[in-house]
Amino acid sequence: DTEVTQTPKHLVMGMTNKKSLKCEQHMGHRAMYWYKQKAKKPPELMFVYSYEKLSINESVPSRFSPECPNSSLLNLHLHALQPEDSALYLCASSQTRTRGPNYGYTFGSGTRLTVV
Amino acid sequence: SQQGEEDPQALSIQEGENATMNCSYKTSINNLQWYRQNSGRGLVHLILIRSNEREKHSGRLRVTLDTSKKSSSLLITASRAADTASYFCATDKGQGGSEKLVFGKGTKLTVNP
Repeated sequence: DTEVTQTPKHLVMGMTNKKSLKCEQHMGHRAMYWYKQKAKKPPELMFVYSYEKLSINESVPSRFSPECPNSSLLNLHLHALQPEDSALYLCASSQTRTRGPNYGYTFGSGTRLTVV
Repeated sequence: SQQGEEDPQALSIQEGENATMNCSYKTSINNLQWYRQNSGRGLVHLILIRSNEREKHSGRLRVTLDTSKKSSSLLITASRAADTASYFCATDKGQGGSEKLVFGKGTKLTVNP
């Protein structure tokens, strides 16, 4: 199994809703990531988890709350989002640096989020 | 902040021609990676070049890295319509045990049949 699975593929939510994005991989990768991508822009790093611990938070607003319940799963909990948070949210995984110096990332197909 | 800057921002060529995309970056790196993204979908890892390597090949792809100029290039030979996509360079700026991959602005490649 060499893929990252993200659900749902599309999500429309109101500004008062609470929703969660889910990401799953079974490649034994111990680093997992959330990226946000606006239209015609590059992906922007949000969070990095290494061995199920949050290692990087790129100053993301607290209305985005990541969670890594085990080595295969990564969630992104959403609450009180704004319309400008509408974007493609990408999950990725990779080997960690301690396993070897250089590995590419495997990305999921993303969740297209629309906040209304 | 974005690390890589690709040029050109958009490139349109005919099938069979070669496509060259360039990437510049500002600070030291562990490695540089190239990714492809078809419209509105996830990114696909193409090739990784380490900071101590100068050139790497994978099928129709050739990547070069010049750390003295802080630049890299991606060459796609004998392009096909299926190569139409956005291409991003990304630099690994992680330290210690943490990875941190930062993407450049990307080049939108159109290969016309």
